[in-house]
Amino acid sequence: QSVLTQPPSVSGAPGQRVTISCTGSSSNIGAGYDVHWYQQLPGTAPKLLIYGNSNRPSGVPDRFSGSKSGTSASLAISGLQAEDEADYYCQSYDSSLSGSVFGTGTKVTVL
Amino acid sequence: QVQLQQWGAGLLKPSETLSLTCAVYGGSFSGYYWSWIRQPPGKGLEWIGEINHSGSTNYNPSLKSRVTISVDTSKNQFSLKLSSVTAADTAVYYCARLRGRGYYGSGSYHMDVWGKGTTVTVSS
Repeated sequence: QSVLTQPPSVSGAPGQRVTISCTGSSSNIGAGYDVHWYQQLPGTAPKLLIYGNSNRPSGVPDRFSGSKSGTSASLAISGLQAEDEADYYCQSYDSSLSGSVFGTGTKVTVL
Repeated sequence: QVQLQQWGAGLLKPSETLSLTCAVYGGSFSGYYWSWIRQPPGKGLEWIGEINHSGSTNYNPSLKSRVTISVDTSKNQFSLKLSSVTAADTAVYYCARLRGRGYYGSGSYHMDVWGKGTTVTVSS
């Protein structure tokens, strides 16, 4: 039922920069609602990575950054590290659901 | 530091009712929304719904007819009930705290604290 579309996978070598896109519509991201990002390490619960489009919670390295434009948002990971290998999900509010929507998820692989 | 501890039955038969509870420790219960999210095996996250301390709820329309989320402020707990389960309801179920600015529909709300998850399997 995801209405936010992400690429299934992205990969990069250690130290490289990768970006993950999150594409929505006029009822969610395009309506101006914030985008948030979560990191899910294998076998664990998701962890908040970015909130309010570009804000990092305390303890999240500044290698992670977020941005939003129009009906899309992006998560960038610079200086990729082995520990960044995980699934990443975007989340926003959708006015047609009157609730939260998640992205389809992206698996990041460190080569 | 806020922690969420969740529990409930892990194995159900089709047509039974799923029942999970999440307890909030180490922080304020009022002033927040408390959410349930699920993740089928090998798939992505799906929002189920949430409740605030006064009992105001929001549900995913696709599950609304079968979902009830309730709150017990005396115990700092909130609960999920999902009726008439099928194999399609097999998933890891997470509870989470929803945090944001202004009213719920402002679009700023995000899940900043998560429980560890409860695996629920529906099988005959």
